[in-house]
Amino acid sequence: GENVEQHPSTLSVQEGDSAVIKCTYSDSASNYFPWYKQELGKRPQLIIDIRSNVGEKKDQRIAVTLNKTAKHFSLHITETQPEDSAVYFCAASRNYGQNFVFGPGTRLSVLP
Amino acid sequence: KAGVTQTPRYLIKTRGQQVTLSCSPISGHRSVSWYQQTPGQGLQFLFEYFSETQRNKGNFPGRFSGRQFSNSRSEMNVSTLELGDSALYLCASRRTWTAWGQETQYFGPGTRLLVL
Repeated sequence: GENVEQHPSTLSVQEGDSAVIKCTYSDSASNYFPWYKQELGKRPQLIIDIRSNVGEKKDQRIAVTLNKTAKHFSLHITETQPEDSAVYFCAASRNYGQNFVFGPGTRLSVLP
Repeated sequence: KAGVTQTPRYLIKTRGQQVTLSCSPISGHRSVSWYQQTPGQGLQFLFEYFSETQRNKGNFPGRFSGRQFSNSRSEMNVSTLELGDSALYLCASRRTWTAWGQETQYFGPGTRLLVL
């Protein structure tokens, strides 16, 4: 079955710096990769996603890149702000949404 | 449009008991998935229902079961509770099961279950 690894497990950055979180997956049939942000005590919320036919997607300060050959995808957050502090989860799925497998999460702390 | 709702939000049970959790999806969403979230294991997929049928299932024992009603509301049941079942149980809804452009899941606030 699919296995998703995520690194780093914790990340601290200064406000205004960039943050990068990387995930690798094992199932070459996976074709949909969402990223979720979960603030303390709240539900996971989708922040960006990418399909396998796209190499990069950007939404304001957030971008995701996908390397299908290497089977990894990364979340890039630029100009980080304290409200970006949260746990970020990546996920991979087949058939554009069948059997999501989540990474273990990255705790991002943005220091003022 | 109202979001995904889950009841109850908190629950305390003892070992050996059973529990039923409820999830109401976003209006118009017919697919409901259930996840278990724990500090040690992260987010793990339990199962997904669409049109009252279980479509996908994760690697959980048979003590974990679910069902979906004709109005798309879903319930999850855990029988013979164990201490390790203590977790946040999240449900997520989306418009359909698998279809291009319909992958996005929206999570509910979760039910926090504590087994003593």
